[in-house]
Amino acid sequence: DQQVKQNSPSLSVQEGRISILNCDYTNSMFDYFLWYKKYPAEGPTFLISISSIKDKNEDGRFTVFLNKSAKHLSLHIVPSQPGDSAVYFCAARWGSAGGTSYGKLTFGQGTILTVHP
Amino acid sequence: NAGVMQNPRHLVRRRGQEARLRCSPMKGHSHVYWYRQLPEEGLKFMVYLQKENIIDESGMPKERFSAEFPKEGPSILRIQQVVRGDSAAYFCASSPPNKNTGELFFGEGSRLTVL
Repeated sequence: DQQVKQNSPSLSVQEGRISILNCDYTNSMFDYFLWYKKYPAEGPTFLISISSIKDKNEDGRFTVFLNKSAKHLSLHIVPSQPGDSAVYFCAARWGSAGGTSYGKLTFGQGTILTVHP
Repeated sequence: NAGVMQNPRHLVRRRGQEARLRCSPMKGHSHVYWYRQLPEEGLKFMVYLQKENIIDESGMPKERFSAEFPKEGPSILRIQQVVRGDSAAYFCASSPPNKNTGELFFGEGSRLTVL
């Protein structure tokens, strides 16, 4: 039961253009959505997150959009740079009771982004 | 300012042997998580621990796998009687006690190969 899906295994973009990575989810109980970037032989690195009560969050070149009615989120990278080439994972966090710090995340399969110079 | 430290980075075991993977969280972090990534898949949650307590082990296989986070020392993920299907990258992550957004800091992973 894949609750978080990234349907595009790979994406190729020219340097300077926009990269759009997509993610769909099925569980309405997720309260935070996150994007992680991963280089080969390294651990994932946190990029940006969005609360389920927001529809947009921006941090420099990275913007995440959340469409709750469609259960869809996307990560926009503008402008794309060759150093952005990596695997991007979408992840969703189960809502936790009592405000406790809780990092049980459900990850998508990842999208390999290649940015060509 | 060390990040999450995992060792060993690579581990080779024969079927039936035991594997022990260690994780030291970032300084000031008291929450530790273990995730597993099988080839061509995303990361899958295994277990969430705080010092001396297992908070959520819903992702752990019922047999052969165990985890601990003692009062002193690193967290340890232990796999007994390994099988070929245990071959994967095992990632440890940590978070500070007052961060409630799901943001985790991951180590570089331990890659287990079972022959």
